Amino acid sequence: DGGITQSPKYLFRKEGQNVTLSCEQNLNHDAMYWYRQDPGQGLRLIYYSQIVNDFQKGDIAEGYSVSREKKESFPLTVTSAQKNPTAFYLCASSTAGDSGYEQYFGPGTRLTVT
Amino acid sequence: AQKITQTQPGMFVQEKEAVTLDCTYDTSDPSYGLFWYKQPSSGEMIFLIYQGSYDQQNATEGRYSLNFQKARKSANLVISASQLGDSAMYFCVYSRDDKIIFGKGTRLHILP
Repeated sequence: DGGITQSPKYLFRKEGQNVTLSCEQNLNHDAMYWYRQDPGQGLRLIYYSQIVNDFQKGDIAEGYSVSREKKESFPLTVTSAQKNPTAFYLCASSTAGDSGYEQYFGPGTRLTVT
Repeated sequence: AQKITQTQPGMFVQEKEAVTLDCTYDTSDPSYGLFWYKQPSSGEMIFLIYQGSYDQQNATEGRYSLNFQKARKSANLVISASQLGDSAMYFCVYSRDDKIIFGKGTRLHILP
């Protein structure tokens, strides 16, 4: 079965710790994305990558970092510099990074930082 | 800057009725795409329908259709014969190259 996996589904961390969220896809997609969703809100783009070893900041990249060493994997690190990290994080991928391709989403990781 | 507006934060609709979810956008780009996604309470995002700015016909996918009025910059989602399983959040999304913007969403409740 092709798809996107994110693990874990729920993650709890103490304030001041970095935490890495995983995202893996076996759809052979070039483009991958990370979004943040706060309660009752739409998604906001954190980072995206259109090709291996390259990525760009989205609208709310501060306090986050990513890497794209493999086509299948696009992990997101929430650093201690992110002032309000508690949120629902969604990873997505698409065939190409232009406007005509739908994105396929993972199930999401709900991060709680206390 | 581009902007997506969904003016209906919540809607209640009787089962089997048709429902229209509103979406307007603001852009000066000539080429762009518009998507609708559904997000059930479980959290995953499900692609419903896509409309390209140069598409002549309104997009349709089963019970979903997109009422695209380019001059008015609106891309309303129409769900025919609503079902209880349609209860969810619905997001309108603007996309152009590396710009992806989500609306704030409309929460749809289908009543039995």
